[in-house]
Amino acid sequence: GAVVSQHPSRVICKSGTSVKIECRSLDFQATTMFWYRQFPKQSLMLMATSNEGSKATYEQGVEKDKFLINHASLTLSTLTVTSAHPEDSSFYICSATPWGGPGELFFGEGSRLTVL
Amino acid sequence: EDKVVQSPLSLVVHEGDTVTLNCSYEVTNFRSLLWYKQEKKAPTFLFMLTSSGIEKKSGRLSSILDKKELFSILNITATQTGDSAIYLCAVDGSARQLTFGSGTQLTVLP
Repeated sequence: GAVVSQHPSRVICKSGTSVKIECRSLDFQATTMFWYRQFPKQSLMLMATSNEGSKATYEQGVEKDKFLINHASLTLSTLTVTSAHPEDSSFYICSATPWGGPGELFFGEGSRLTVL
Repeated sequence: EDKVVQSPLSLVVHEGDTVTLNCSYEVTNFRSLLWYKQEKKAPTFLFMLTSSGIEKKSGRLSSILDKKELFSILNITATQTGDSAIYLCAVDGSARQLTFGSGTQLTVLP
């Protein structure tokens, strides 16, 4: 099946710093990738839809200046959490589909961000 | 706004029991319903359902969709401790993105 790789899997940073998370589709091209956030014991909340070569579409309530998304190629999307604060600590997951989706989504392994 | 509701929120059973997880939805333009299993990391795909009344089956897991009543169920027979996970239901609807339910936390005791 299609493989999506996410890196890093775990990151700890100080408050005020920026953190970049990468999402790669390893064996397919993904025109669209999705970024989700998950709090403990809660479901996945869509943050933004990342489109290759164009600006990301953010969900209501998600600060686009804080969560910068770049989809520079058909196999790579990045999420940068800028000036991170403890309340940004969460599990971030990306997903992609080879079929211009969503339909069946393939998920990355997720990145656990802890902001001290 | 698309909406997906799962029940129960949590369930504790013993090995060998059969469980049924529920997912109801309200979407403007239904395309498909998907079930995922999430253990410690990212969700893994189980089933995608698009047609009503056709059961999808994989080993001890099966799922069926009722498009008239707007719900789906996920059945797990002869449960094992390895089935312990959060089961997520998601619908591909009007916005061409997945809307997830809150998930059902299943715990299977030995």
